[in-house]
Parts: sequence; C-alpha cells; structure tokens
Amino acid sequence: DAGITQSPRHKVTETGTPVTLRCHQTENHRYMYWYRQDPGHGLRLIHYSYGVKDTDKGEVSDGYSVSRSKTEDFLLTLESATSSQTSVYFCATEGQNGYTFGSGTRLTVV
Amino acid sequence: GENVEQHPSTLSVQEGDSAVIKCTYSDSASNYFPWYKQELGKRPQLIIDIRSNVGEKKDQRIAVTLNKTAKHFSLHITETQPEDSAVYFCAAGGSYIPTFGRGTSLIVHP
Repeated sequence: DAGITQSPRHKVTETGTPVTLRCHQTENHRYMYWYRQDPGHGLRLIHYSYGVKDTDKGEVSDGYSVSRSKTEDFLLTLESATSSQTSVYFCATEGQNGYTFGSGTRLTVV
Repeated sequence: GENVEQHPSTLSVQEGDSAVIKCTYSDSASNYFPWYKQELGKRPQLIIDIRSNVGEKKDQRIAVTLNKTAKHFSLHITETQPEDSAVYFCAAGGSYIPTFGRGTSLIVHP
C-alpha cells in the first residue's frame, strides 16, 4: 500500500550498535504499531503509539524504544542490537479498513 | 491482556477441498476479529474481518464465523486453489490493540 512505507527494507548490523527503523504513513491514522515476526511466533507487538508523543509498550518491548514526533512518522530504535533481535519488523496503522502493514524490514544482527 | 490461540499450525489440502482455521480468544471485551493472508516474503494483508455484533460474514470463497459465547472464530475457505497457499493469521482486539495468533501455513496441492 502506498500509504505506509518502511525504511530500510534490509539491514545488516553488528552486535552492540544502535539501529533505527522508520515507518512513514500518509493516511493521518492516529494509531501506529511496530511488530516483529519470527517463525513459530507470529506477529508480536513491540510498541505502539496512539498519538504524537503518546506511546506504550507491547509484549516484547525490552531492548527497543520508539518515538513519534509527527503523526506520519513512527521510529523504532534498537538501543544496542543483539542477535536475538534478528527478525522481520513490520509497521502497521489502523484505519477504517482495519490494520494495514508496511512491507517490512529484514534486520540481521551479526 | 488478550491471548489468541490458532489451530492448526499447518494445513495441507487438495485443490478444490475446503479449509478451516480456528482461533480462540480470552478477552470477552474483544470486538474486532480480522484475518490476514501473508504470501511468502510479503506483508500480511487483510482478507476478511468480523465485528462482535455479527455471527457470520462471507466474501466469495471465504467466510468467517464468530461464536462470542465460546470465544472462538473461524476462517472457512471453500474450493481452495493453489494461490490460496499462504500463512493465515487471525487477530482479536478491542478498539485498537490487536493480538495475533501464531499463524497457519495453508498448503493447497494441485
């Protein structure tokens, strides 16, 4: 969907380095989410936002932080990347037609 | 919080057969139940959803049923085709914080 984009699409980083993933939406949706997807675990919520500067933790928030300074942007930061954070990360928003996901970011921590 | 169980984890059918995927949820306050299809390497995409004031919804070959008393809902796909092969996720939520099941890998053999 053109309304939600993630960057980068792929990233390889070293253990211990900080990493920021970006989600950008053009739909003016209030709610935005970050999920990680791992085999056998489905989609697990990391953090979500219910407005500018309003965020809260999901079920797997340890090691992650988020920021939302504008309605359209929701950033996910891995403060010090670890190999257990190797995953595919999806951003999502909610509108009238349910939840819409971005294309995902495949992150590899080596 | 909400807990969603999804079964089976893998489902293999012959082309033309029907497929049924079942989910149970724990929070009686949940009132929105979407289903997502994720093809390999792609984002999850909404295929059908149901709200708690409705017991069944159909869209061509797919249907969803909801039993609020028993707290379970199911996805039914009739006349399956090879292009139905994908991972299917159910979700349950209140207004804005969905919890996803772990996914069902549907394989349709020609």
